[in-house]
Amino acid sequence: EDKVVQSPLSLVVHEGDTVTLNCSYEVTNFRSLLWYKQEKKAPTFLFMLTSSGIEKKSGRLSSILDKKELFSILNITATQTGDSAVYLCAVAGRDDKIIFGKGTRLHILP
Amino acid sequence: EAQVTQNPRYLITVTGKKLTVTCSQNMNHEYMSWYRQDPGLGLRQIYYSMNVEATDKGDVPEGYKVSRKEKRNFPLILESPSPNQTSLYFCASSLIRGAQETQYFGPGTRLLVL
Repeated sequence: EDKVVQSPLSLVVHEGDTVTLNCSYEVTNFRSLLWYKQEKKAPTFLFMLTSSGIEKKSGRLSSILDKKELFSILNITATQTGDSAVYLCAVAGRDDKIIFGKGTRLHILP
Repeated sequence: EAQVTQNPRYLITVTGKKLTVTCSQNMNHEYMSWYRQDPGLGLRQIYYSMNVEATDKGDVPEGYKVSRKEKRNFPLILESPSPNQTSLYFCASSLIRGAQETQYFGPGTRLLVL
C-alpha cells in the first residue's frame, strides 16, 4: 500500500533555530513530491521535487529529494514566528493519485 | 484573479439529507481533486478528475460521488451523509496532472453531519 510518512509529528523550537522536517515515502511509480505549508486555511505550495540531489530554495526554506532512499527533507533556517504552521508532504504516484503525509506541526516560540 | 472557489464554506446538516459542495476554478485547469482533512489523519484524496468526463477514486471514495461535466466545475455529492463524513473538505486544481504542476487549493468547506 502506498504511504507517505512525515516526522516529527510536532516540533517546538525557538525563533532563530534551524529545523529539518522529514518525509519518507513508499509510492508506486513515483512522479513527484511536493511540500505545502498550511496555516489556519488551505495549504499553499512551497516546492515540487522530481529529481534526486537537486536542492530547491526559496528564501530561508530549502528542500531536497533522495529517490534512492525514498525521502525528502525540508529545511528552515533562522526560523521566525511566522513559520509556525503545519507542513505537508505529498507524493504523486500511479494513476495520478496524490497521497499526503499527516503533516508536521511546527511551532516557533518568540 | 486566479482562484478555486468552494460553496458553501460551512454546512451543518442531518444524517441522510443529500448535499452538494460545489467547486469551481477559473484557471482552465485539467486536473481537479477533492480531499478531506481530519485531525491525526492528514489530507486524504476522495476523488480526482483528469479532465471532463474522466473521474477516478482516490483513497477514501466511499459515500461520495463526483461529476465533471464542465472543465471548471467539480462538485462533490454526498447522497446520504453520515456523521463520519464530518470533516474539512478541500477542492484543488492543477494545470496538467497531479503533482506535475502545483495544486491550487480552495478555501475549504467545513461540514458537520448530525
